[in-house]
Parts: sequence; structure tokens; C-alpha cells
Amino acid sequence: DQQVKQNSPSLSVQEGRISILNCDYTNSMFDYFLWYKKYPAEGPTFLISISSIKDKNEDGRFTVFLNKSAKHLSLHIVPSQPGDSAVYFCAAPVGGYSTLTFGKGTMLLVSP
Amino acid sequence: NAGVTQTPKFRILKIGQSMTLQCTQDMNHNYMYWYRQDPGMGLKLIYYSVGAGITDKGEVPNGYNVSRSTTEDFPLRLELAAPSQTSVYFCASSYREGSYEQYFGPGTRLTVT
Repeated sequence: DQQVKQNSPSLSVQEGRISILNCDYTNSMFDYFLWYKKYPAEGPTFLISISSIKDKNEDGRFTVFLNKSAKHLSLHIVPSQPGDSAVYFCAAPVGGYSTLTFGKGTMLLVSP
Repeated sequence: NAGVTQTPKFRILKIGQSMTLQCTQDMNHNYMYWYRQDPGMGLKLIYYSVGAGITDKGEVPNGYNVSRSTTEDFPLRLELAAPSQTSVYFCASSYREGSYEQYFGPGTRLTVT
């Protein structure tokens, strides 16, 4: 059973607007979350992370928000650029040895 | 640094054939991982290793084997390939326990027909 869920398979936004990608989790013991970005025919690359002691982490145009009571996190991209078009995965450490469980991903398309 | 490299990039296997997917990292990372990604799905952990000579099963290990004789290399062996193993395979590495950021290779696209 999926412990990290991304319920939107795809999202389309216009260049310059905000992109909001959502992720829900079921295990209240999760205390760290990561977002990965994946272009076609490439491996995922780490984008941004957040610890459960914070409710927000910002890195340039990317901000991740964590709502522990709702078991929900979101990735905000402002402003969105065509080069942001990719699949975004949220992930959480599970089972020790830094192993991760991943959501199914959301494909973001940013149109000019 | 090349990071994490994987070979081959593409492969077509017939049912019942075997092959080894190669993975090498040059970052001196202790932890290495193998994932598979099926269309529309997230990454599923197949096997992982926390150091040379130490491997353990992940979520979907059936039909696969691994070995870790050096820090750098972590090959994945498919014995008796089945169509259900058609997937994209990613190798990843991370520095140590608690270092959750994983570095991924470019993937191997495998088709079993």
C-alpha cells in the first residue's frame, strides 16, 4: 500500500504562474520529505527537502510546505518556467538505511 | 566526477534469458540502491546495499539478485527474464545513513518479449 500519494497525475500551468504540486502521506512517523525532479530519459535529481521540525523550506523559486496535522506537503514553483516541465516525485525515508518510498509522480507541463 | 553510471542504456531480452545491469559510482558512497519504474508508477526499491559485501531486499526483489564486491559497483542480475520485468531500472547511491539525498544514474530501459 502506498505510503506517499500523489493524486494528480498531471498539471498544466502557464509560464510565469505558480505551480502547486501536492503530496499526501499516511505514516505519521515520517519526519523528512524530499522532492525529486525527473526529465524524460534521465534519472531523478534531488530538488528540495523538508524536515518535520519545519513547516516551510525555500530554495530560490521552489518552496515546500508541510502540514503535519493534515499529513500533506506541497511544492510551490514561482514563477514557473518551461524548463520546469518534468515529472515531480515526492518521497520519504522508510525502513532505515536511507531507503525511500516514492509517490507515483506528477507530470508538470509549463507552456510559454 | 561521472556520478552514477549505468550500462546498457537499452536492452531487449527474450523470455528466459538472463542479463546483468551494471552500476558504478565514483563518489565513494557507502549506500547503493536499485529501483524499477513502471509506466505511471513511482520508483519501487528492488535491492539495496550499505557497503561492500552487504546487501538486502527491498520492496520487489523477486526475480533479481545483487552483489557488492566493491564500494563502486553494484550490479543487478536478472535470471530467467519475464515480461513482468519490462521496466526502467535506476541505480542510485547516497553517502551514509541519514543522508537521504540519493544520486541517480540515467537508467536502463529493459524490454522482455
